[in-house]
Parts: sequence; C-alpha cells; structure tokens
Amino acid sequence: QKEVEQDPGPLSVPEGAIVSLNCTYSNSAFQYFMWYRQYSRKGPELLMYTYSSGNKEDGRFTAQVDKSSKYISLFIRDSQPSDSATYLCAMTITSGTYKYIFGTGTRLKVLA
Amino acid sequence: DVKVTQSSRYLVKRTGEKVFLECVQDMDHENMFWYRQDPGLGLRLIYFSYDVKMKEKGDIPEGYSVSREKKERFSLILESASTNQTSMYLCASSLWGSSSYEQYFGPGTRLTVT
Repeated sequence: QKEVEQDPGPLSVPEGAIVSLNCTYSNSAFQYFMWYRQYSRKGPELLMYTYSSGNKEDGRFTAQVDKSSKYISLFIRDSQPSDSATYLCAMTITSGTYKYIFGTGTRLKVLA
Repeated sequence: DVKVTQSSRYLVKRTGEKVFLECVQDMDHENMFWYRQDPGLGLRLIYFSYDVKMKEKGDIPEGYSVSREKKERFSLILESASTNQTSMYLCASSLWGSSSYEQYFGPGTRLTVT
C-alpha cells in the first residue's frame, strides 16, 4: 500500500464549479500537509500548507486536514479554466527525517 | 517570495556524457533536494542536503551524485548519462522548524539523453 493515495483523474468540471481534490494517507505521524499546482512541463507551485488538523483558506482555495480519518482535501471555489493543471498533495513528519511524501497527482480540467 | 532557479529548462545530452544540473535558492533555506518526475511514477527523491557539504541518499541515488559547497547552491551530477535518465529534474528547498516545513520547487530541467 502506498503511503499517500491520490485519485489520478482526470477530473473535468464546468467553469464556476466547486472542485474537491483529496488524498488519503496511512502514516498517522504525518503532521505537515501541502498542496501544489503543476502546469504541464513546469515545476510544482506551492498553493497551500497546513500544520496538523483544521481548515485554512486563501482566496478561492481552502485546505482541510482530518487527521482522525487520515484524509486531506483541497477545495477550489469558482473554478476557472486557468485552474486546469495537475494538483499534488504532499506531507511530512517534521522530525527524524527531512523527507516529503507526495501523491501522484490529480489532473483537473475546468471547461469554459 | 521564495525563488528557486535551475540552470537550464531544457537539456539534450549524449549517452556517456557527464551532466551538471545546478540549482540556486535565495531564501537561506537549510534543506535542498533533487527529484526526478516521470509519468506514472510521480516524484522520486534522488538526493537531499540538510547543510553545506552534507548530503543523504534518497530513494533512487544510483547513477547520480551531488555537491553542496555553498548554502544557496545544490548541484546534481550525472556521472555518465544513460537513456533511462531522460526525465524532468526538479530542485527544491525548504526551511525546517519553527512550524515551517513547506518545500518550494524550481521550474524544472527537462533532460533528454540520446
């Protein structure tokens, strides 16, 4: 079983829709969670990061962590065609290792 | 804004050549990383460094070496390039501690070995 599971998609939604992207993980020691957006042939761009549980909002983006369920989500409100990209989740333990574990990414298409 | 830059966006090399990929970050981060990204395989860690002259192997270090002589610069070296090293190479840097652990990536170098 992979440490982090992420549905590869593609996920197609109409412009203006609310998008929900999700990752599940198996290691309860993960404490720091990140979401990246990656356009084709570019490097991942850090969108959101959260420490432990709870919600964090930044503009149209909300990151949610549910440690009891080992589940993290990224919500995108009022989705735009420019949001079409691959979204990667990532997480780390924050002690004993400097390694980050990544999901394989969900490809999102927002249709105009 | 954190900035991580990589020396080349696209690189084409021949089998057996020695290849240098350079990465520079401008935020005084302690940690720097080299990944490769391949379709269906995701991001795989090659090497990382937590301080100047310090390095640790990642998950796929074979065929690669690294150098970190200055805090802001981390180089990846392919000693003798092979076609199976054709990939997207991504450099990243991060702080570690004080509740900040986020990792920032460079734009990537797409390497083709022919």
